[in-house]
Amino acid sequence: GAGVSQSPSNKVTEKGKDVELRCDPISGHTALYWYRQSLGQGLEFLIYFQGNSAPDKSGLPSDRFSAERTGGSVSTLTIQRTQQEDSAVYLCASSLGQLFQETQYFGPGTRLLVL
Amino acid sequence: EDQVTQSPEALRLQEGESSSLNCSYTVSGLRGLFWYRQDPGKGPEFLFTLYSAGEEKEKERLKATLTKKESFLHITAPKPEDSATYLCAVQEPERLVFGKGTKLTVNP
Repeated sequence: GAGVSQSPSNKVTEKGKDVELRCDPISGHTALYWYRQSLGQGLEFLIYFQGNSAPDKSGLPSDRFSAERTGGSVSTLTIQRTQQEDSAVYLCASSLGQLFQETQYFGPGTRLLVL
Repeated sequence: EDQVTQSPEALRLQEGESSSLNCSYTVSGLRGLFWYRQDPGKGPEFLFTLYSAGEEKEKERLKATLTKKESFLHITAPKPEDSATYLCAVQEPERLVFGKGTKLTVNP
């Protein structure tokens, strides 16, 4: 069956521009997670959704970052006024049910480069 | 602050040379420890979940074990296709905390 998909796979943008990253979870998965992976660093947790709700946004690096999920399916991560330090791979994962207690299946990531 | 530390950072093995990767953690009340494999340019791929000290799980040439303070990923007679970065993560109530990974290279 289809796994988690993310688009675009690569994004190059100029400092100060806004970018939108998209995640399509596995069908039927109610939980969705966003992570960031910078070179030489571990995965950094950003935010999770249970259905369309994101109860805790404290993991987002700054107020330039926002995320939403609609219809319990597709999610978008938006970065406003991008900075060079935002360059990283942004990974999305989904799981079947109970948050963090079920196996998370990851997408291939979006590689963001801010020039 | 809860932490997950993986060692070594990088490991080179000859094909057939068994070894172990370490994941040590400091967390109050472990809810779950996860092992993932990540190939270059791809997202992490789930391997194992361990929940309690003494638990062991196996898959092909890999075996994961768990104590109260650390987990080991044992690789028996590795093959070149086992080359990847292996990630360990610890479950907290509101997030998974990942280590930085061990990059394994298996030479033929």
